Amino acid sequence: GAVVSQHPSWVICKSGTSVKIECRSLDFQATTMFWYRQFPKQSLMLMATSNEGSKATYEQGVEKDKFLINHASLTLSTLTVTSAHPEDSSFYICSALLAGSADTQYFGPGTRLTVL
Amino acid sequence: DAKTTQPNSMESNEEEPVHLPCNHSTISGTDYIHWYRQLPSQGPEYVIHGLTSNVNNRMASLAIAEDRKSSTLILHRATLRDAAVYYCILRGLGEGDKIIFGKGTRLHILP
Repeated sequence: GAVVSQHPSWVICKSGTSVKIECRSLDFQATTMFWYRQFPKQSLMLMATSNEGSKATYEQGVEKDKFLINHASLTLSTLTVTSAHPEDSSFYICSALLAGSADTQYFGPGTRLTVL
Repeated sequence: DAKTTQPNSMESNEEEPVHLPCNHSTISGTDYIHWYRQLPSQGPEYVIHGLTSNVNNRMASLAIAEDRKSSTLILHRATLRDAAVYYCILRGLGEGDKIIFGKGTRLHILP
């Protein structure tokens, strides 16, 4: 199956700093990627849709200036959490869309962010 | 978006078959039925999808009711590694390709 990687797998940072998370589709090209956030014992919450070569589309209630998304190539999307605070601590997961029948999404392994 | 209803949790014994139900009474004719699962501390994993006919792959089988208002994910022989949250999701055309996750079914496997 298609493989999606994320880097880093975990990160700890101080409050007020910015953190960049990378999402790569390793063996296919993805014009569309998605970013999710998941708090403990909860389901995944869609944050934004990342489109290659254009601006990301954010879900209602997600601050676009805080969660910067860049999709500069067909295999890479980045999420930057700016001026991180402890409430931003969460499990961040990306997915990449494999175009075709039923448009299956393939998910990365997730990045656990802890803001002190 | 068409909604799905799944039990919050289920238990099964190791090495026995598991049938995970999903109701989707408002499904439209172009909605595909997808199943994903999420193991602890990992990203979701694609399991299987179908439209009308039953589907089989190396991970599982998907049985779709004739009226398509319900479906069942079948794990033929559960192992401890199958303990996960299983999500039943409908994906239609023209919805921007995004997936909205429900709460899913937490499957516990008993040794």
